[in-house]
Amino acid sequence: QKEVEQDPGPLSVPEGAIVSLNCTYSNSAFQYFMWYRQYSRKGPELLMYTYSSGNKEDGRFTAQVDKSSKYISLFIRDSQPSDSATYLCAMSAGTDSWGKFQFGAGTQVVVTP
Amino acid sequence: NAGVTQTPKFQVLKTGQSMTLQCAQDMNHNSMYWYRQDPGMGLRLIYYSASEGTTDKGEVPNGYNVSRLNKREFSLRLESAAPSQTSVYFCASSPLAGLGNEQFFGPGTRLTVL
Repeated sequence: QKEVEQDPGPLSVPEGAIVSLNCTYSNSAFQYFMWYRQYSRKGPELLMYTYSSGNKEDGRFTAQVDKSSKYISLFIRDSQPSDSATYLCAMSAGTDSWGKFQFGAGTQVVVTP
Repeated sequence: NAGVTQTPKFQVLKTGQSMTLQCAQDMNHNSMYWYRQDPGMGLRLIYYSASEGTTDKGEVPNGYNVSRLNKREFSLRLESAAPSQTSVYFCASSPLAGLGNEQFFGPGTRLTVL
């Protein structure tokens, strides 16, 4: 069983809708959580970074962490066609992990005009 | 400012052939990483270099070797390519190793081993 599970999609939404993405994980030691966006044939780029539980907002993006349920979410408000990409979650256990993250396989999002 | 560059962009090898994937960054970052990305598997760390002169194994190091040539360059070598190494390879760099340091990724090298 993978440590990090993510629905591969594709998730298709109309422009302006809220996109809801999530990952579940099994390792209770994870405490650093990240979301990356990856456009087709490009490298991933960091969107959001959170530590432990709680919410974090950055513009149209909101990241939530629920450590008790081992579940993290990313919400994209007022979605745009430019948000069409694959979204990867990543997580890590602690400061001695030298930036080594466990990545989810990614969810493909398609925002239709 | 090019960020992280990788060469080549595409490569086709026959089983048993060797090749080196090149990576360079111009952001004066200390730490560099090599990942592979396979469908349904996500990104997996092959090797990393926390600082110039050091390298360490990641999650899937078998069949690969690395060289941190200098602060800018970090190469990945396949000595005897196998079909299981068909993948997209990403190089990344960060100011320092450790959490809280964003990793910046290159555009990837698409490798097919026949």
